[in-house]
Amino acid sequence: AQSVAQPEDQVNVAEGNPLTVKCTYSVSGNPYLFWYVQYPNRGLQFLLKYITGDNLVKGSYGFEAEFNKSQTSFHLKKPSALVSDSALYFCAVRGTDLYSSASKIIFGSGTRLSIRP
Amino acid sequence: DGGITQSPKYLFRKEGQNVTLSCEQNLNHDAMYWYRQDPGQGLRLIYYSQIVNDFQKGDIAEGYSVSREKKESFPLTVTSAQKNPTAFYLCASSIDSLAGGDNEQFFGPGTRLTVL
Repeated sequence: AQSVAQPEDQVNVAEGNPLTVKCTYSVSGNPYLFWYVQYPNRGLQFLLKYITGDNLVKGSYGFEAEFNKSQTSFHLKKPSALVSDSALYFCAVRGTDLYSSASKIIFGSGTRLSIRP
Repeated sequence: DGGITQSPKYLFRKEGQNVTLSCEQNLNHDAMYWYRQDPGQGLRLIYYSQIVNDFQKGDIAEGYSVSREKKESFPLTVTSAQKNPTAFYLCASSIDSLAGGDNEQFFGPGTRLTVL
């Protein structure tokens, strides 16, 4: 069965410092991995995705994520945090086994990122 | 929130009532989804549709119903059988075909449903 875990409910970082939001996954086949951000009372916005190729993926707003197959992880990173990065972040995974439910993406429980000035 | 609209933004329901949440997209996407979001639980899939006139149950379909009569529209009805409907409901769409799977989802702004 597919699953995705975000082990930290909240991450607190000072503005200007690097940030990491953790995500680990379990899927059949090779994974498609996604990061989304949600601001209060809004829908989710797509940040970046890993499909294949380079393990370091760059996305919107200066965010990047590193795919690590051996550790089954896809951690979200940013070299220098901004107060405006404060939001709820979701990792999501979809397996590539076409005999499974191909349209289902599994979302993690979310990590609240708080950037202090 | 891209080309997906949801209405209303806030909805109040009395016990025993059915209510319908609207979701419309102008992105020409084949696939559409309904999720429920509760605090600390992430998003849970209610129903999804990969093509017009076809839809499948997600993980928590009990007490909900959907229709997909037009490509642009995927309304969700919360029936009186749903015992705990108070939540934030999110609609999404993606290009996806039946053979695809690497396309991101585009989300609407959400509807907050409260049972009185």
